[in-house]
Amino acid sequence: EPEVTQTPSHQVTQMGQEVILRCVPISNHLYFYWYRQILGQKVEFLVSFYNNEISEKSEIFDDQFSVERPDGSNFTLKIRSTKLEDSAMYFCASRLTGEQFFGPGTRLTVL
Amino acid sequence: SQQGEEDPQALSIQEGENATMNCSYKTSINNLQWYRQNSGRGLVHLILIRSNEREKHSGRLRVTLDTSKKSSSLLITASRAADTASYFCATPREDTGRRALTFGSGTRLQVQP
Repeated sequence: EPEVTQTPSHQVTQMGQEVILRCVPISNHLYFYWYRQILGQKVEFLVSFYNNEISEKSEIFDDQFSVERPDGSNFTLKIRSTKLEDSAMYFCASRLTGEQFFGPGTRLTVL
Repeated sequence: SQQGEEDPQALSIQEGENATMNCSYKTSINNLQWYRQNSGRGLVHLILIRSNEREKHSGRLRVTLDTSKKSSSLLITASRAADTASYFCATPREDTGRRALTFGSGTRLQVQP
């Protein structure tokens, strides 16, 4: 069964460094999303992407964040200058119609 | 405003018993989705129920939706130790017509073998 994959599973970085989280959505899906979950908190929406552009974003998704679909398969989230409070699980999701299918997540730890 | 809040926050039952979790939401929705998350892991999609549906089944799962009360319930029948996880309801964002999901805080289910 097709699934969303994410790499790396765990990323440790120093505050102020740039990180790129990678996702490979399900191949025929058209809508792509990033969510995050700070430890012990709710899953929060960051951004959605459709037709090669951002379709909506939350207040969390500020200028430090960017997304890209550099080729036909990858979908990336870049954090330009990480802060301690960016430490969280980051989930990618994709959708064709209806259900969103989530990847296993990348645990980002900012030291 | 909060959208998609589950109760109870935690539930502990014995294997073989049924588990019922509830979700309330505040605005009109097109659909409501339930997800499972094992500790520290990804979100697994369980079931989607549309606003014009009242009940839906998938294996040992039964989901109901009452749009007049803005509530949904997830019933897991004949629970197993492997059902131990957190369960979340999620609805499309209230302020747009788009599909980004708003998640509740979840119900932590512990099934004792």
